[in-house]
This record gives sequence, structure tokens and C-alpha cells, in this order.
Amino acid sequence: QQQVKQSPQSLIVQKGGISIINCAYENTAFDYFPWYQQFPGKGPALLIAIRPDVSEKKEGRFTISFNKSAKQFSLHIMDSQPGDSATYFCAANYGQNFVFGPGTRLSVLP
Amino acid sequence: DTGVSQDPRHKITKRGQNVTFRCDPISEHNRLYWYRQTLGQGPEFLTYFQNEAQLEKSRLLSDRFSAERPKGSFSTLEIQRTEQGDSAMYLCASSFSTGGEKLFFGSGTQLSVL
Repeated sequence: QQQVKQSPQSLIVQKGGISIINCAYENTAFDYFPWYQQFPGKGPALLIAIRPDVSEKKEGRFTISFNKSAKQFSLHIMDSQPGDSATYFCAANYGQNFVFGPGTRLSVLP
Repeated sequence: DTGVSQDPRHKITKRGQNVTFRCDPISEHNRLYWYRQTLGQGPEFLTYFQNEAQLEKSRLLSDRFSAERPKGSFSTLEIQRTEQGDSAMYLCASSFSTGGEKLFFGSGTQLSVL
């Protein structure tokens, strides 16, 4: 129940395309769902986050879609750029309990 | 730079040796976390401090691991009698106690046990 599943494991997108990463969770106690971006040799950095009382949140080219009944959420990166090439982690949180997905390695081709 | 600082960035040690890592959180943050990350995986929770009190430890944190946060400022993570399976990136993160869901990570310490 503590697991967060994430897919795909890796993703290759052309510049200007849409990148979509999906996550699923089991524990309904989770009440905060962040996405982190990690570049090689760096720690994860918070990208965008959502709470389960909304179905969508958009910040610039990044959008989270949240489906509470299905216990799924996804990250959409519009107009993907080579600089977006990184590993993306979804996570789920309640209290001080943060559970991270295994990550998706995104490569955006120029 | 006022971000989370970790030292050293890289550590190579021989099996059986002791190692210690340091984390300096963002100064206003009173929560501090240690995570471990292996290649191709997300960060795994190790332990958490609220000020100087260590409030939670993962089952991943064996008796060989100890963490401290004296005076609620910087923190150290010590691994005694290192094993090859301890090879990983050790990440420190900090947050406010209010709105504490926003974790700010350091760049990590990459440990290689030979």
C-alpha cells in the first residue's frame, strides 16, 4: 500500500512534442502529490504538486492531471525541450511520509 | 547559495570502514530528512528530524546507521562497518514545519564501497 507505481521507465520525445508520465498509488491516506525533476549529479527538485481536491493543476508547460477515484495522476510536459531531459519522479505524501516512484528517464531529441 | 548543502559530494571507501556525511539544511527549515537513492530508483526514506529530535526511522536504517542533528542545525549520517550494499547516493532534504510537504534536496553524497 505504500508503493507508488510509475510508467514508463524511459521516454523519448521529439522537441515540441508532449511528454506524458503516469503514476498510481494505493494508500488513500496520501494527500499531496508532487513531481520532482532530477538532473545527473543533482538532487531532485520540486517541479509541481497537486492536492486531491482538484483534478488539474497547470504551471507553465507543466500540467498535473489527477483522478482520485482511479488513484492515478500524471504529468504532462507540453512543447518539450531538450533542456527538459532529466529523470522525473512522482511522489505521494501524508504527514512526514513521502513515497517516491521509481522514476522516468525523459530524453527530448533536438 | 542558501540551498541544502551536503559534504562530501563523493566518498570511496573500503568495506568495513566507517564513513560520515554532513548535511547543512536551509537555515529557516526545522525539518531535516535523509534519503537513500540507488541507480534507477527513487529516493527511499531513511530518517527524519524535527529540530534536534529524531522522530522517525525507516526499517532500512540498520544498526550500522546512525544520524544526529545536534542543536537542530546541521546533521550527520554515519555508517559503520560499511558493506558493498551500502553503495548509493545519500540525499538530505529540508522543509518548514508548516507547509512541510515541499522538500528541498541537496545534491547528495555518492558513496562507493569497494
